[in-house]
Amino acid sequence: EAGVAQSPRYKIIEKRQSVAFWCNPISGHATLYWYQQILGQGPKLLIQFQNNGVVDDSQLPKDRFSAERLKGVDSTLKIQPAKLEDSAVYLCASSLNSDRGKNYEQYFGPGTRLTVT
Amino acid sequence: AQTVTQSQPEMSVQEAETVTLSCTYDTSESDYYLFWYKQPPSRQMILVIRQEAYKQQNATENRFSVNFQKAAKSFSLKISDSQLGDAAMYFCAYMGFFFGNEKLTFGTGTRLTIIP
Repeated sequence: EAGVAQSPRYKIIEKRQSVAFWCNPISGHATLYWYQQILGQGPKLLIQFQNNGVVDDSQLPKDRFSAERLKGVDSTLKIQPAKLEDSAVYLCASSLNSDRGKNYEQYFGPGTRLTVT
Repeated sequence: AQTVTQSQPEMSVQEAETVTLSCTYDTSESDYYLFWYKQPPSRQMILVIRQEAYKQQNATENRFSVNFQKAAKSFSLKISDSQLGDAAMYFCAYMGFFFGNEKLTFGTGTRLTIIP
């Protein structure tokens, strides 16, 4: 079974530029998560999708971050314009289903390391 | 809001010895899940072990076991017979039980070094 795929693995941009990250979850996984991991910290949830609907985006800085999951499969996370404090690793994770009694385990991708200069 | 605290930024252990990583959490919920994730330099988060709060029995996975103290809101990870491949960042994480609260809340991590 293929794991969660993310691209690119690394990205360097200047502040005020835009950037987009792509995530392909494990086939059949209904729930998709984007986490931001700043150096020296644990990951923090940015947004959670159930199929193609948003379940939780309370910690997404909506003035500059946007995310979509068209057709309930792949997802894209965009930052526009980027700030220095956006430098972090962006992790995508997926789970089979968020319903209790089913598989709630989250499987993570390798992440994208973003450096904003 | 739930919080997870890992008070040991760094730990080291001699190869083949046993080490315990500490984690405490705060929640008002009675049912939830707790996890330990391992993050090697490759950055991929790997699930080490999980514990359902409604189960009294401590979870065990080969050399990894937990000491879950629900009343004290404590969830420590014990690694027995430490191996060089165990070197990584270890994150304790909390997940709520109900729909809409499945996000993982992570601690700040403990960097584990294995001494040959």
